Amino acid sequence: DGGITQSPKYLFRKEGQNVTLSCEQNLNHDAMYWYRQDPGQGLRLIYYSQIVNDFQKGDIAEGYSVSREKKESFPLTVTSAQKNPTAFYLCASIRQGADQPQHFGDGTRLSIL
Amino acid sequence: SQQGEEDPQALSIQEGENATMNCSYKTSINNLQWYRQNSGRGLVHLILIRSNEREKHSGRLRVTLDTSKKSSSLLITASRAADTASYFCATPGGTYKYIFGTGTRLKVLA
Repeated sequence: DGGITQSPKYLFRKEGQNVTLSCEQNLNHDAMYWYRQDPGQGLRLIYYSQIVNDFQKGDIAEGYSVSREKKESFPLTVTSAQKNPTAFYLCASIRQGADQPQHFGDGTRLSIL
Repeated sequence: SQQGEEDPQALSIQEGENATMNCSYKTSINNLQWYRQNSGRGLVHLILIRSNEREKHSGRLRVTLDTSKKSSSLLITASRAADTASYFCATPGGTYKYIFGTGTRLKVLA
C-alpha cells in the first residue's frame, strides 16, 4: 500500500537537544510538507519542498530545519532554538498537477522532558 | 496566516442528525478542499470543489461553494458516531502551498 510513514509516533526532547522527525513516502509524489498543529488548532506550515534538493520556508520556520536529499524522504529537525516545540507534527505530500489532494502521515507528537 | 476560518468551532449532535460546518476564506481561489482528522491521527482528504462548481456530493457529504461570499459549507447527513472528528477546509495559498482553517470539532452522540 502506498502512503506516508512518520516516525517515531512519540518523541521527547531534552533542553538544548536537537531532534529529528522522519517522514518517508512511497507515493512518488514530488512535493512534501511539514505542518505543526497545536491543541485545538489548525495546521501551520513549517517548510515545504517541491523537488529534491530544494525547499522553502513556511510561516513558522524559525527553530526548524529540513533536508530533501531523496524524493521519498523529508526529515524535519527541531533545533534547540525552537523554544516551544511541544506540538503534533504532520508530514504531507502531493502529486504534481491541478486540484490534487494532500496525503498525510499519522503524525509525531513531540514533548519536552 | 490563516486563510480559512471554520464555524462553529465545536458542534455536538445526536446520531442520525445532520451536521453543517462552514468555512470562510479571504482571497480568490481555484479550489477548496475539506479534510477530516480523527483524534491523534493525520488528515484524510474528503472532497474537493472547484471554483466553477456550486455544489458537490460524495456519499453522505455535500459541499457547497459561494465564491461571491468567499465561503463553503460541508454537510454530513445522517451522522454516525464514527463521524466524530475535526473537519478542516484548505485553500491554495500559492504554488504548492495550502492554507488550512482552524477546524470544526464534531462530536456525534450515540
